[in-house]
Amino acid sequence: QKEVEQDPGPLSVPEGAIVSLNCTYSNSAFQYFMWYRQYSRKGPELLMYTYSSGNKEDGRFTAQVDKSSKYISLFIRDSQPSDSATYLCAMGHNQGGKLIFGQGTELSVKP
Amino acid sequence: DAGVIQSPRHEVTEMGQEVTLRCKPISGHDYLFWYRQTMMRGLELLIYFNNNVPIDDSGMPEDRFSAKMPNASFSTLKIQPSEPRDSAVYFCASSPPAGLGNTIYFGEGSWLTVV
Repeated sequence: QKEVEQDPGPLSVPEGAIVSLNCTYSNSAFQYFMWYRQYSRKGPELLMYTYSSGNKEDGRFTAQVDKSSKYISLFIRDSQPSDSATYLCAMGHNQGGKLIFGQGTELSVKP
Repeated sequence: DAGVIQSPRHEVTEMGQEVTLRCKPISGHDYLFWYRQTMMRGLELLIYFNNNVPIDDSGMPEDRFSAKMPNASFSTLKIQPSEPRDSAVYFCASSPPAGLGNTIYFGEGSWLTVV
């Protein structure tokens, strides 16, 4: 079993839809949870960063962490075609140490 | 800041040839990571350094792969001899010292094709 599981999709939604992306993990030592966005033929870029459990909101994006269930989510409200990308969850347990990434979910937002 | 700089951006080489990928991390970052991305396996950590010292190389596939970091502003990943199954995107990434966040910043990647 992988340490981090993420449905690779692809996921296709109409413009304006609410998108929910999820990851599960097995290592209870993870404390840092991130979402990266990767456009085609580009490097991943940090989108959201959360420490421990709880919610974090940034504009149209909300990240949720439920450590009791070992489950993290990213919600995108009012999705736009420009949100079309691959979204990767990542997590780590040492500040400054390595991150373990999910497989990535490919999202397509249709106009 | 210019971000993490990788070279070459694209490389096509023949099986058996040596491949050297280069990376310049963000100034002030003391962690450097080499990741490999494929459709089948996603983003895999190969090796990472802290203050130029290799900390974890458990992800390096085999002895054909080696990585060095001779100073704080330069690292190489070498594959010798290369094989078709090494075809992938290789990302270098860096992060600031512990206590300043756990975020990793990626370069644009080196797209390697071994024929």
